[in-house]
Amino acid sequence: DAKTTQPNSMESNEEEPVHLPCNHSTISGTDYIHWYRQLPSQGPEYVIHGLTSNVNNRMASLAIAEDRKSSTLILHRATLRDAAVYYCILRARYSGGGADGLTFGKGTHLIIQP
Amino acid sequence: EAGVAQSPRYKIIEKRQSVAFWCNPISGHATLYWYQQILGQGPKLLIQFQNNGVVDDSQLPKDRFSAERLKGVDSTLKIQPAKLEDSAVYLCASSLDHFLASRREQYFGPGTRLTVT
Repeated sequence: DAKTTQPNSMESNEEEPVHLPCNHSTISGTDYIHWYRQLPSQGPEYVIHGLTSNVNNRMASLAIAEDRKSSTLILHRATLRDAAVYYCILRARYSGGGADGLTFGKGTHLIIQP
Repeated sequence: EAGVAQSPRYKIIEKRQSVAFWCNPISGHATLYWYQQILGQGPKLLIQFQNNGVVDDSQLPKDRFSAERLKGVDSTLKIQPAKLEDSAVYLCASSLDHFLASRREQYFGPGTRLTVT
């Protein structure tokens, strides 16, 4: 699987936007970029995913570089409930019916200051 | 919609004892995963089922770990005998199917925290 690189930790203030970067320079043309987050003492939860175009949903936005070698997860107005570990994960477009477990790195520990 | 259910939430055992974890996925989800998360690390896949068949168990320590999903719904993960290094959170996840990326979002349960003393 192609590898992703994320900062170990980031800090932001409540009610301000947060930009979480992810580098994936070896991404293939058919890899999707997925983001999951894990709140304290909970299982990971899906946040957003995209292929080439920027994506928005109720939780966040995903900005994908034109060369697809990096992406940024954007939380438009962080709250204390957004404090979590955020994982950037690459996934093949088609699993072909085979193994498709998520490969987690260490992620970015997001700290929100009140 | 009910989420992925896991039990127990916590378990403390002595090394060399056996332990079992149970998972009930979201209704209708054909694919089920077990992950192990050691403190300070991201989750690591142990085994993946499609219905009641194993798709991937390449990272499952088969000398001590076993898993089954007999009727294609609930699943159990067993460790026998447990070692100190098995102390971790065991997460179960399910997805609708695992063919198209748009339908492969995984939903995780709260996990079972295992402490081996």
